[in-house]
Order: sequence, then structure tokens, then C-alpha cells
Amino acid sequence: DAGVTQSPTHLIKTRGQQVTLRCSPKSGHDTVSWYQQALGQGPQFIFQYYEEEERQRGNFPDRFSGHQFPNYSSELNVNALLLGDSALYLCASSLGTGGYNEQFFGPGTRLTVL
Amino acid sequence: AQSVSQHNHHVILSEAASLELGCNYSYGGTVNLFWYVQYPGQHLQLLLKYFSGDPLVKGIKGFEAEFIKSKFSFNLRKPSVQWSDTAEYFCAVNAWSNTGKLIFGQGTTLQVKP
Repeated sequence: DAGVTQSPTHLIKTRGQQVTLRCSPKSGHDTVSWYQQALGQGPQFIFQYYEEEERQRGNFPDRFSGHQFPNYSSELNVNALLLGDSALYLCASSLGTGGYNEQFFGPGTRLTVL
Repeated sequence: AQSVSQHNHHVILSEAASLELGCNYSYGGTVNLFWYVQYPGQHLQLLLKYFSGDPLVKGIKGFEAEFIKSKFSFNLRKPSVQWSDTAEYFCAVNAWSNTGKLIFGQGTTLQVKP
């Protein structure tokens, strides 16, 4: 049973560019959440997707957007990249949106903005 | 704004020593509480969780945590650590049961010396 997978594992971009990160949830899960983890910090919630809609959003600008597909996989898009966007981006999946549903995390995508 | 504070950023212990990692949160309502662990080279995984009931919860690998509502704390303990417990530990709070948004502390790096 495959867990949460993310691609790519590493990515290097320059300021102003746009990036798309991908996530496939654990088999049977229908909800995907995205987190940003800066170096030395804990993960910060970006947003959660369920039934192809954004259900809740953290304190991130509109440059951060997402999408969920009918097969429950998800993309995170970041436009107009800033140096401060350099971080590990984590995807977590769960069965349902509630806080009682365990979230399973993927290995992350390491984004470096030069 | 809700926040989670982990007091110990870096802890070094010898094998067989006892462990206690502090976690405090700021939120006056009902919360779900979690401890996640990230072993070197691996992704975040759930160590234990508290939703309701007995405030002393047991997790995997001999870890336990105690929820003290009056102190807004959820400290992680292990009576005797092993070298394999070397990892980063994150406390997380879910303050909205209808969504899975997790607020993480900044993490504690535990180094266990053989």
C-alpha cells in the first residue's frame, strides 16, 4: 500500500518564476492538506482540499494556489516566487477533513529559490 | 492567534535516560493534540494523539503524553530513551474539529548518545 507520494523531491527556481508541486494521497484518502516547513521551523498550514475545493486556508498570500483532481491527487502552485518561499513543502492526506482524522505526511518537496 | 510553543529546541541525552519534552498551546476552546516524529531521512509520522477522555495517552515505541488542560500543556515523555529515538519531535494542535488544520510547534531535536 503506497503512502503519500510527492514530486519532485527537489526543485531550484529563480525569483519571479512559478512552480507546481504534486501530491498523490495515500490509497483510500480523499483529503489533501499542504504545509510549508521553513528551515528550523515546524510545518505551517497552507490549505486543505476536499471534493476538489479549497476548504480552509492558512495565512498565505494568493500567490499560493492549489487544485485537487477527481482522483484526489493535488497540486500546489506558487507564483512570483520570492526568496522567502524556499522551504520544504509537505503534503498530508487523510480520510475526511475533520481534526479527528489522522493525517499521513509525504516526504516533501524541497524548493530552493535563488 | 493560536500558537504552539515547544520549550526545548535541542536535547541531548544518554541511552536509558528519561525524556520529557514540553509543549504549550494558546487556545481557549476544545483542542485535539498530537505529537509527530521525524526520524533522520524519513517523513513525519504520528507518535500519539489526544482527543478526549483519559488525559494520559500512550503512543508507539513506549512514548506517552499527558494533557493538562489547566496548564494548556501536552508534554511528551519516555522513561528510558534509546539511540534509535534520535529524531525531531513536533507537537501539533488542531483547534477546529471540523477541519484538519494543524498548528505545529517549531520542533525539538533529540540526540541520544549510545
